[in-house]
Amino acid sequence: QQPVQSPQAVILREGEDAVINCSSSKALYSVHWYRQKHGEAPVFLMILLKGGEQKGHDKISASFNEKKQQSSLYLTASQLSYSGTYFCGTLEVEAAGNKLTFGGGTRVLVKP
Amino acid sequence: SAVISQKPSRDICQRGTSLTIQCQVDSQVTMMFWYRQQPGQSLTLIATANQGSEATYESGFVIDKFPISRPNLTFSTLTVSNMSPEDSSIYLCSPLVGQGPDTQYFGPGTRLTVL
Repeated sequence: QQPVQSPQAVILREGEDAVINCSSSKALYSVHWYRQKHGEAPVFLMILLKGGEQKGHDKISASFNEKKQQSSLYLTASQLSYSGTYFCGTLEVEAAGNKLTFGGGTRVLVKP
Repeated sequence: SAVISQKPSRDICQRGTSLTIQCQVDSQVTMMFWYRQQPGQSLTLIATANQGSEATYESGFVIDKFPISRPNLTFSTLTVSNMSPEDSSIYLCSPLVGQGPDTQYFGPGTRLTVL
């Protein structure tokens, strides 16, 4: 079942912060975050395993609340390069074959 | 990470024809995923291909339409058969690599337009 991402889109000024949420109705083993720029393939950002750990990639960090089956991606002091569509991919505990299910995506536009 | 290449990067095809997309990885991977991304949409899994076994297809995708080959651990092909305009999409291969938690990386994609 496809995880739900919110918001669908966000517009930021350079230096502002934003949070992208990814929620699932299924028990999750891991959450994977990707960013895709227009005309390019998705680029892997980070993976979070169940255990509630928080990770960081430059000024982009994420958390995973396994009790709520929810992950949040934090864009801190956003830069123009952060623009793109962010996708979460979830691996369900009962999923066969390591298959990720992707959310609908969150479009992020960072303006000067 | 892994270095992944896909050929062709883009193509324009006529209705009723077939196109084979190649995916090459610079390291051996056991599991290869093929995705489709329609314009403005998310990523939809077509099938999972393990070396030495038949590919496993997701609901809505069949082998006759999307045959997959996996001759070795670094290479795979996806064929889009008897194409129609509805097949116009970006097709991406995604090998499962990593040490510890397995990570999926995406190939650069093949942008297919069917006229």
